[in-house]
Amino acid sequence: KAGVTQTPRYLIKTRGQQVTLSCSPISGHRSVSWYQQTPGQGLQFLFEYFSETQRNKGNFPGRFSGRQFSNSRSEMNVSTLELGDSALYLCASSLYYKGQGITIGELFFGEGSRLTVL
Amino acid sequence: DQQVKQNSPSLSVQEGRISILNCDYTNSMFDYFLWYKKYPAEGPTFLISISSIKDKNEDGRFTVFLNKSAKHLSLHIVPSQPGDSAVYFCAASGDSGGSNYKLTFGKGTLLTVNP
Repeated sequence: KAGVTQTPRYLIKTRGQQVTLSCSPISGHRSVSWYQQTPGQGLQFLFEYFSETQRNKGNFPGRFSGRQFSNSRSEMNVSTLELGDSALYLCASSLYYKGQGITIGELFFGEGSRLTVL
Repeated sequence: DQQVKQNSPSLSVQEGRISILNCDYTNSMFDYFLWYKKYPAEGPTFLISISSIKDKNEDGRFTVFLNKSAKHLSLHIVPSQPGDSAVYFCAASGDSGGSNYKLTFGKGTLLTVNP
């Protein structure tokens, strides 16, 4: 079973540019979440999508946006890049159940996209 | 404000001994807690979890203890092995209204197990 795939793995941008990151979840997973990891702040929640709808959003400025497609693949976009946006961006997928007996909140993470802003 | 705190940035133990990683939380709405392990250049991987209705969950060498009154949880690894050397993240969920998949993470503890 293929894991969560994120592309690109590494990228370098300059201030003011914009970037789009892509995430393909595990087959059958319908929920996709994005997290930002920095040395000082750890992993911080960006947003979560399920069935092409954003269900939850973290405390990030509007420059950070995302979307999910009908095949559950997701993209996130950061516009007008700032130096502080340099980070590892992690995508995670999970199953969504309404029933019981499922490990709530178990996320399967990709390897991340490392963004460097110069 | 940091709702999930891992106050020890690093921990070093000898192979075969017990590793104890600690985590404190402040949000009383959290009702599910998880530990993730992360190796360099890899994404975090799920290790073990515990619901707030329990005070202990065990899986092989890994045991998580939850003290709700103290808003404290700990991960015990016995016996510790060099392959356990990684960054361990504590995470919590339950305060996100309609979503069960918004996790609040601590900043992580780097565990080094020396042979």
